[in-house]
Amino acid sequence: DQQVKQNSPSLSVQEGRISILNCDYTNSMFDYFLWYKKYPAEGPTFLISISSIKDKNEDGRFTVFLNKSAKHLSLHIVPSQPGDSAVYFCAASVGAAGNKLTFGGGTRVLVKP
Amino acid sequence: EPEVTQTPSHQVTQMGQEVILRCVPISNHLYFYWYRQILGQKVEFLVSFYNNEISEKSEIFDDQFSVERPDGSNFTLKIRSTKLEDSAMYFCASSTGGTSTDTQYFGPGTRLTVL
Repeated sequence: DQQVKQNSPSLSVQEGRISILNCDYTNSMFDYFLWYKKYPAEGPTFLISISSIKDKNEDGRFTVFLNKSAKHLSLHIVPSQPGDSAVYFCAASVGAAGNKLTFGGGTRVLVKP
Repeated sequence: EPEVTQTPSHQVTQMGQEVILRCVPISNHLYFYWYRQILGQKVEFLVSFYNNEISEKSEIFDDQFSVERPDGSNFTLKIRSTKLEDSAMYFCASSTGGTSTDTQYFGPGTRLTVL
């Protein structure tokens, strides 16, 4: 099932710089998208979401951009901090309420001090 | 801050044995979910549960799996006869539902090891 893909398995960035994580999807029915962060031995922690009626959503250091025509979303983290080092998953659903999430494979981010 | 809790954190069992994984969702949430992540693979949806019944299940969720909300707080996943390939991290999640921006909150997971 490759409906949601994160093509970069890892990303290394200097503290204070921008981290850009990318996610592509194939199912045009997806209309709600989320980013989760995951530390080892913990469950996914919700970061930010966006519905298909928007093309940008911002929350503090985190901004998600959605390009529906390209079926592409990205997560920007500015500025990156060492505590941001984790695996980041994008997920998508058809509708929001109570519907299953389809996850990408994750991108491991390492923020160097 | 309210959170989803799961017990046990690690369960080791013999192939063919039954296991029950337990979850306490966030108290005002109405939708409950189970996902799993086999080592090195994606997080996969298993089942969603609302109003005391399954609302959706994946192909993985066959007759060996069942879910139950035995009381007002717990949500359980039962695997009747475990197989080696059931070894994975199992995550419970919950959400309020009913809105266009419903967010699923995940528990810390139960690592199931089938020997």
